[in-house]
Amino acid sequence: SQQGEEDPQALSIQEGENATMNCSYKTSINNLQWYRQNSGRGLVHLILIRSNEREKHSGRLRVTLDTSKKSSSLLITASRAADTASYFCATDAEDSNYQLIWGAGTKLIIKP
Amino acid sequence: EAEVAQSPRYKITEKSQAVAFWCDPISGHATLYWYRQILGQGPELLVQFQDESVVDDSQLPKDRFSAERLKGVDSTLKIQPAELGDSAMYLCASSRSGSRNEQFFGPGTRLTVL
Repeated sequence: SQQGEEDPQALSIQEGENATMNCSYKTSINNLQWYRQNSGRGLVHLILIRSNEREKHSGRLRVTLDTSKKSSSLLITASRAADTASYFCATDAEDSNYQLIWGAGTKLIIKP
Repeated sequence: EAEVAQSPRYKITEKSQAVAFWCDPISGHATLYWYRQILGQGPELLVQFQDESVVDDSQLPKDRFSAERLKGVDSTLKIQPAELGDSAMYLCASSRSGSRNEQFFGPGTRLTVL
């Protein structure tokens, strides 16, 4: 079963613009993680935000978490062609057995 | 940098044939996951191992799928017989025991059933 829902399903922007993706989930969590997947490849971990954190930065990435709304957002600033990929949020639910529940992803295309 | 290894990268088979996928996790990672990912969707957990023991295989179609991790290191996922609906990416991931941090993924095996 999938807990996370990403929004939008697809996003196409010009290189240099900022990209924002959103994730909603259903249950209480320990943490929420964002992963990137290039076409036909495995997933790469980007950033983890714990339930007691509200914002986290890593390079050009900024993640926010609102546990009252059960939602998170991933902002990529100054996008590059190499950022073209699918982005997934995954939640570590409080009652999980070290498992992640995944959303369906946002497909991001950066146009040169 | 340590990586999760998977083989083969691509597999084409006919329905009713048997297929097997192999995964070697990062050394020292006691937890191993097999996922299935259909194009355009997120990963779906098939089975989770802690060392050589199965923690969760509730989503594994046990009439045709089997998974083992005999020595608690590398793992094999088998499908017999393969069906057209099994066409998907099969991903292996590992993490440190008891860790609520990131999972490390292999490159995946793309299975096409004809």
